[in-house]
Amino acid sequence: SQQGEEDPQALSIQEGENATMNCSYKTSINNLQWYRQNSGRGLVHLILIRSNEREKHSGRLRVTLDTSKKSSSLLITASRAADTASYFCATDSSPLYGNKLVFGAGTILRVKS
Amino acid sequence: EAGVAQSPRYKIIEKRQSVAFWCNPISGHATLYWYQQILGQGPKLLIQFQNNGVVDDSQLPKDRFSAERLKGVDSTLKIQPAKLEDSAVYLCASSFLTGAKNIQYFGAGTRLSVL
Repeated sequence: SQQGEEDPQALSIQEGENATMNCSYKTSINNLQWYRQNSGRGLVHLILIRSNEREKHSGRLRVTLDTSKKSSSLLITASRAADTASYFCATDSSPLYGNKLVFGAGTILRVKS
Repeated sequence: EAGVAQSPRYKIIEKRQSVAFWCNPISGHATLYWYQQILGQGPKLLIQFQNNGVVDDSQLPKDRFSAERLKGVDSTLKIQPAKLEDSAVYLCASSFLTGAKNIQYFGAGTRLSVL
């Protein structure tokens, strides 16, 4: 079953604009990760935020985590055409379950040049 | 560093036929995962190996799917017999668990079409 649910399902913006994607999940987590998938390719890890962290930055990426609301957001600033891809959040549960990741359905981002 | 290798990239078969996919993880990664990704959905874990032992295969349809990881390195996933609903991309990933992190590295996947 998929724990994370991304919102919106699809997003279309102009180059240079910011893109915000949201993820909600259901159970407690150790960490939450975001991955990008270009068309016809595998997933690429973008950023990981631990359950005791509230915000994290990496280049043009900013991730927030609100464990009380069981939600996370990914902000891509100054978007580029090359950012066009699908973005997935993935939750990492307790080590009792072998640290497996449960992925959401993803947000399709299209950046128009 | 070489990435996760998968083959073939594409496979077209008829229903009730069998098919096998191969994966070679990143060197030194003890954990290997097989995912099924249906069009428009996120990856769904089929099976997770730690070295050559199975950690989680709770979502593997064991009546038709099987997987092995001999010698704890490369792995094969087999479907026999295939059904129309097995049409999907099959992704292999590997990870080197460090503390509480579980960053996974994915191969490009095998796109399976069952006709």
